[in-house]
Amino acid sequence: EIVLTQSPDFQSVTPKEKVTITCRASQSIGSSLHWYQQKPDQSPKLLIKYASQSISGVPSRFSGSGSGTDFTLTINSLEAEDAAAYYCHQSSSLPLTFGGGTKVEIK
Amino acid sequence: QVQLVQSGAEVKKPGSSVKVSCKASGGTFSSYAISWVRQAPGQGLEWMGGIIPIFGTANYAQKFQGRVTITADESTSTAYMELSSLRSEDTAVYYCARGKILCTNGVCYEGGYFDLWGRGTLVTVSS
Repeated sequence: EIVLTQSPDFQSVTPKEKVTITCRASQSIGSSLHWYQQKPDQSPKLLIKYASQSISGVPSRFSGSGSGTDFTLTINSLEAEDAAAYYCHQSSSLPLTFGGGTKVEIK
Repeated sequence: QVQLVQSGAEVKKPGSSVKVSCKASGGTFSSYAISWVRQAPGQGLEWMGGIIPIFGTANYAQKFQGRVTITADESTSTAYMELSSLRSEDTAVYYCARGKILCTNGVCYEGGYFDLWGRGTLVTVSS
C-alpha cells in the first residue's frame, strides 16, 4: 500500500499569504497524484489532477507541482473562502489512498 | 449535468448491516468507475473500494475485505455499498465518487481522480 504523508497537519494563515502543502509518497507514483479541498459539511472538491493539471472553474491561485514521491499544492494569495481541509490522493496503484489532510485556518 | 445522489442517513445497531445507494442522476456511469470513500467524525478520507459497472468487478481495501460488498446496477445507473458486522468505529459519512477506468496489460481497475462526489450518507452505529 502506498502511504501518503502530508505536512503540515494544520496551518493558520493571514489573507493574501502564500500557502504551501506537501505530500510525500512512500514510493514513486509518477504524476498520479490529485488534490482536493473539503470545506466543513461539504463533499471533497477536485482542485488539481495529475500533480499539476488545473481544473476548470478552480481559481488560478491554486497550483500543483511535483512528480515521483514529492508533491506540492500552492495557494497564492490566500482568500478567506480558502479555509478548508486539503487532501492529496494517489491513483498509481490499488488500494487508492489519501493523505492525512491539512487544515488551513484563516487568521 | 450528472449528479451522484446518495440515500439518506441510517442508524444501525452493532452487528447489523447497512446498504447505501448512489444513483447517477442526469446521466449514466457506464464509462466510469465508482468508488466509496468514508470519513469518520473529525477524521480524514479513507478509500473502501470501488467498482467498474460495465465489468461488474470490484476491488476492496484490505481493511474492509470480507465485510464490504460493492455492486452496481447499470440499468438504473446505481451503485451500492453494503457494510456488514457494523461496529461503533464504522460511524462515518460514506461518499460515493466517480473515477476513471484505467487499464494496464489487459487488467482494468478503478483509478484516476475523483471528479464528482455524492453529498455523503451519515451512518451511525449505536446500541
